[in-house]
Amino acid sequence: EAGVVQSPRYKIIEKKQPVAFWCNPISGHNTLYWYLQNLGQGPELLIRYENEEAVDDSQLPKDRFSAERLKGVDSTLKIQPAELGDSAVYLCASSLGTGESDEQFFGPGTRLTVL
Amino acid sequence: AQSVTQLDSQVPVFEEAPVELRCNYSSSVSVYLFWYVQYPNQGLQLLLKYLSGSTLVKGINGFEAEFNKSQTSFHLRKPSVHISDTAEYFCAVTRNTGGFKTIFGAGTRLFVKA
Repeated sequence: EAGVVQSPRYKIIEKKQPVAFWCNPISGHNTLYWYLQNLGQGPELLIRYENEEAVDDSQLPKDRFSAERLKGVDSTLKIQPAELGDSAVYLCASSLGTGESDEQFFGPGTRLTVL
Repeated sequence: AQSVTQLDSQVPVFEEAPVELRCNYSSSVSVYLFWYVQYPNQGLQLLLKYLSGSTLVKGINGFEAEFNKSQTSFHLRKPSVHISDTAEYFCAVTRNTGGFKTIFGAGTRLFVKA
């Protein structure tokens, strides 16, 4: 069974440029998460989808960040414009159900460097 | 609100020695507890989880953790570590009522020396 796929794995951009990250969750997983992981910290939730509905986007900085999950499968996270402080690893995860006890399966992440 | 504190940022240990990685949490409601491991350049993967029942939980790779409600702790243990256990370990809590949000600790880097 293929795991969660993310691309690109690494991205280097200059500040004020736009950037997009793509995630393909495990087939059949209804819930998809985007997390931000700063160096030396644990993941912090940005947005959670149940199928195509964003059910928790309270931590997503909506002035520059946007996300979509078309058809309830793949998802894209966009930053426009990027700032120096956005340098971090962006993790995508998915889970089969929508419950709090469900195991989350994580992708390898996209490491973003903003110069 | 929930919070998770991993008391050690780094734990160096010799191969075949026992290890304990400490995790304390706070929450006003009941929670589920998880330990995830992150190997270099890989995503997090679940080691074990506590939902209910027996407070001693066994996971993959010989790890186990004990839920202590009175001390609000969920420490991870392994009786004999291997070089391959070198990784970052994250404790996480999810409240089981009143909305879904997983909070991760800052992580503990386990470094196993030969």
